[in-house]
Amino acid sequence: EPEVTQTPSHQVTQMGQEVILRCVPISNHLYFYWYRQILGQKVEFLVSFYNNEISEKSEIFDDQFSVERPDGSNFTLKIRSTKLEDSAMYFCASSGTYQGNQPQHFGDGTRLSIL
Amino acid sequence: AQTVTQSQPEMSVQEAETVTLSCTYDTSESDYYLFWYKQPPSRQMILVIRQEAYKQQNATENRFSVNFQKAAKSFSLKISDSQLGDAAMYFCAYRSALDTGNQFYFGTGTSLTVIP
Repeated sequence: EPEVTQTPSHQVTQMGQEVILRCVPISNHLYFYWYRQILGQKVEFLVSFYNNEISEKSEIFDDQFSVERPDGSNFTLKIRSTKLEDSAMYFCASSGTYQGNQPQHFGDGTRLSIL
Repeated sequence: AQTVTQSQPEMSVQEAETVTLSCTYDTSESDYYLFWYKQPPSRQMILVIRQEAYKQQNATENRFSVNFQKAAKSFSLKISDSQLGDAAMYFCAYRSALDTGNQFYFGTGTSLTVIP
């Protein structure tokens, strides 16, 4: 069964550095998402992406964050200047349609640790 | 914004027994979707079961079933004949039926342990 894949599984970065988290969504999916989960807290929505543009974003997704689909397969989340509070598990997800009853398919996540 | 609450951070069940995980949510919308996702250790979240709010009948998927109480805004997950492979973190999620309701709202999760 097709899967969403994320790399790396664990990223350790110095505060203030830029980091790029990579995702390969399921190949025929059109809608892409990033979520994050700070340790011990709930999974929070960051951004959704469709047709090469952001369709929805949360208040967490400020100017430090950006997303891109640089080619036909990758979907990336960039954090421009990382802060300690960016340490979290970041999940990428994709779905084939916009219909609300359709599930989003999640990757394994990238654990981001900011030192 | 919608909120989803899972009041049980941890649950345990004896193998072959039944366990119920609770979930409540807060919304002013009348049409929406509810999901349960399972996340095994170090693995991706996998859809377990989903429920459309307009449907009165509770969803079932093999050993998994839900008790959807719309008036009470409750959406519990029942796992029957629990198996060792059911051990995982379980997340309840809400999604609006509105066109702009693209995102999922998740609860904090319930960690389920299955005792052999």
